[in-house]
Amino acid sequence: EDKVVQSPLSLVVHEGDTVTLNCSYEVTNFRSLLWYKQEKKAPTFLFMLTSSGIEKKSGRLSSILDKKELFSILNITATQTGDSAIYLCAVFNAGNMLTFGGGTRLMVKP
Amino acid sequence: DAGITQSPRHKVTETGTPVTLRCHQTENHRYMYWYRQDPGHGLRLIHYSYGVKDTDKGEVSDGYSVSRSKTEDFLLTLESATSSQTSVYFCAISWGWSNEQFFGPGTRLTVL
Repeated sequence: EDKVVQSPLSLVVHEGDTVTLNCSYEVTNFRSLLWYKQEKKAPTFLFMLTSSGIEKKSGRLSSILDKKELFSILNITATQTGDSAIYLCAVFNAGNMLTFGGGTRLMVKP
Repeated sequence: DAGITQSPRHKVTETGTPVTLRCHQTENHRYMYWYRQDPGHGLRLIHYSYGVKDTDKGEVSDGYSVSRSKTEDFLLTLESATSSQTSVYFCAISWGWSNEQFFGPGTRLTVL
């Protein structure tokens, strides 16, 4: 059974801090890994990673994949209160089904 | 937003009643999905569609059926709602099988 585990479950930081969110996976025939941000509504797409070692970057957010060790990290630098959300990691398997992790709840305090 | 709407946005119903949730897209994406999101379980796939009248089961399909008679609409039906189906339901769409999925605003369903 495919499995995606995110850590930590929740995190409280202050504005300006840097955070690292973790996602490990066990998936049959891995194809790609996705990160989403979920505020009080629908998850919004952040990144899709397919290859190891290639960093994807968007502003203060960046992510990298390690297919050998079966994990990915999402970094957020200079955090702002608007970064407060649940961050979801999901993995595509060979059947093109997305399996989601339980999410990391990030709270950024002023 | 990716041109996806869901209706209704909130619904309260009683055990045993039929419920239909609608997902409508204006993006002409071929693939559509229904997920449910519950505390402790994350997002889980219920059913998906890979074209008009082409649907298949996901991880948690028991008690649910779907239909897709037009590219833009994907309906999720609970034939006889149970309290265990109280959840937030999200529709998603994608261009291709392994492309990123874009999510609708969600429907909060409460079954009493």
